[in-house]
Amino acid sequence: GESVGLHLPTLSVQEGDNSIINCAYSNSASDYFIWYKQESGKGPQFIIDIRSNMDKRQGQRVTVLLNKTVKHLSLQIAATQPGDSAVYFCAENIKNSGNTPLVFGKGTRLSVIA
Amino acid sequence: DSGVTQTPKHLITATGQRVTLRCSPRSGDLSVYWYQQSLDQGLQFLIQYYNGEERAKGNILERFSAQQFPDLHSELNLSSLELGDSALYFCASSVEAGNEKLFFGSGTQLSVL
Repeated sequence: GESVGLHLPTLSVQEGDNSIINCAYSNSASDYFIWYKQESGKGPQFIIDIRSNMDKRQGQRVTVLLNKTVKHLSLQIAATQPGDSAVYFCAENIKNSGNTPLVFGKGTRLSVIA
Repeated sequence: DSGVTQTPKHLITATGQRVTLRCSPRSGDLSVYWYQQSLDQGLQFLIQYYNGEERAKGNILERFSAQQFPDLHSELNLSSLELGDSALYFCASSVEAGNEKLFFGSGTQLSVL
């Protein structure tokens, strides 16, 4: 089975507020994590990634936090906009695993209320 | 636009039939991955090719097969189709063989009737 999961399947946020999407992983050997955004009818789109030698990484309006102690990953979206409405997936990869591909969580749907 | 091209966008077929899905990776990418996305299973890894060779295998059924050609495009063949094979099939590509971000195509929606 998958080792990546999500705390919340759906999240509704008021436009302008910050969003936090959470993800738990169970494989302590995982050392590379990615967040993807999938809009309706489209393929997953890369948002941001982080390697296990970091705790935090920031992009444009997005921040990923990694807590290796509790095997937890989160995606923070600042000033959420209607265009942020989508399903968000976390994915993990195991360093030097050779043949292990990205493993995806089941996704969280973010709905932005205007 | 991710640079990954998948055809066709939609495919409707009957049970027992065989279909071929096609993927062209981003220019310069050597790895191609196939994922299946259904409502109840999320994104499931099927198979990966790197520079023409099979690199990793996931939960791919024996009725399914894939290959990567010398020009690096890939095809996923689905045979003896069943109703449960109806899903979105995504192709993704990456520069190297793993531990890096993948770029996804827009998918092929397969409907088996």
